[in-house]
Amino acid sequence: NAGVMQNPRHLVRRRGQEARLRCSPMKGHSHVYWYRQLPEEGLKFMVYLQKENIIDESGMPKERFSAEFPKEGPSILRIQQVVRGDSAAYFCASSEGSGTEAFFGQGTRLTVV
Amino acid sequence: EDQVTQSPEALRLQEGESSSLNCSYTVSGLRGLFWYRQDPGKGPEFLFTLYSAGEEKEKERLKATLTKKESFLHITAPKPEDSATYLCAVQDPGTYKYIFGTGTRLKVLA
Repeated sequence: NAGVMQNPRHLVRRRGQEARLRCSPMKGHSHVYWYRQLPEEGLKFMVYLQKENIIDESGMPKERFSAEFPKEGPSILRIQQVVRGDSAAYFCASSEGSGTEAFFGQGTRLTVV
Repeated sequence: EDQVTQSPEALRLQEGESSSLNCSYTVSGLRGLFWYRQDPGKGPEFLFTLYSAGEEKEKERLKATLTKKESFLHITAPKPEDSATYLCAVQDPGTYKYIFGTGTRLKVLA
């Protein structure tokens, strides 16, 4: 049973470009969570999705950031017009249901130059 | 607002020197407390889930316990390979998002 798969592992974008981060949850998991982590800092919640629904996006900036988890295919975190401050590690996690443990992917490290 | 506070921020131990990490939380209606281990450059690795006060879980040299206000991760006779950042998290009772503490960076010296 493959774990949570994130790609790409590393992504370099110039300021003003778009970044698309993908996350395939574990088999049988329908809950996806996105977190952001800066060096030497904790995990900051961004958004929680179930299939085709955004449950909680309270941690996601209103501008430039969006997330989806379609009926088919991976969850996508999209950052438009990236700025240097968006450079961070972005982690995706999935769980089987609410109240159960979440399993994390290896992250996508975004560098904006 | 729900809060998770971990202490100490960093801990250095000699190999074989047992210790405990603390995670205190303020959340109404705990739906689960979770411990993770994170190695540099990697995603967090799930360790334990605790649901109710008095519950304990063990795995190798690690033992997690839970009270009504805090959880402890006890490390018995640690080895250098136990060096990592240990994170705890609780679930928001309303939306089920996971709220993480900032972690304890553990370094075990040979």
